Amino acid sequence: QVQLVQSGAEVKKPGASVKVSCKASGYTFTSYGISWVRQAPGQGLEWMGWISAYNGNTNYAQKLQGRVTMTTDTSTSTAYMELRSLRSDDTAVYYCARTMIGYYYMDVWGKGTTVTVSS
Amino acid sequence: QLVLTQSPSASASLGASVKLTCTLSSGHSSYAIAWHQQQPEKGPRYLMKLNSDGSHSKGDGIPDRFSGSSSGAERYLTISSLQSEDEADYYCQTWGTGLVVFGGGTKLTVL
Repeated sequence: QVQLVQSGAEVKKPGASVKVSCKASGYTFTSYGISWVRQAPGQGLEWMGWISAYNGNTNYAQKLQGRVTMTTDTSTSTAYMELRSLRSDDTAVYYCARTMIGYYYMDVWGKGTTVTVSS
Repeated sequence: QLVLTQSPSASASLGASVKLTCTLSSGHSSYAIAWHQQQPEKGPRYLMKLNSDGSHSKGDGIPDRFSGSSSGAERYLTISSLQSEDEADYYCQTWGTGLVVFGGGTKLTVL
């Protein structure tokens, strides 16, 4: 079955970087994109950006431009999201989600990775 | 500006039906959306993609109790025969050129 398996929880200090992985299985990885969405404690869903697993094209949310980088490794069907210069308000659960190319809706979600930023 | 508006909360009784609304901002009434469900302490789950003409395609394993419809700039999610496990947050989501937008979510309480 189609699934996305994310890496484990992280605790980081302010100013550090975090890299979260998302390993896909059960479908042709390069036929879709991967979106990254985060959810701060008690808050709604916030789109961070998208990467095409077909050609590596990316779109990032404006507020994260310059701090976030999304990549894929097609040899292992894995997507990565790196967030730099972490602040306390980056504390959130980070989700990857399979995304239709051209339509940009998410039809399969990972279980989430908790990232805590604390001194 | 592409914005989705949802009521913060809704409630309905066990076994009843409920209709949740997601409103597209002015000038975007032709946009398709997707509905996602998030049960307490769980990640989101895709429910369906809903087009402006009301046609929709559901995710794998989504019960027939979940259906979608559209009218103008409004997109609806109807849940019939409410069950306790339907108590969750429901988010609508759409997309434009280079961006994705989520509504603020509706917290559904099953009484």
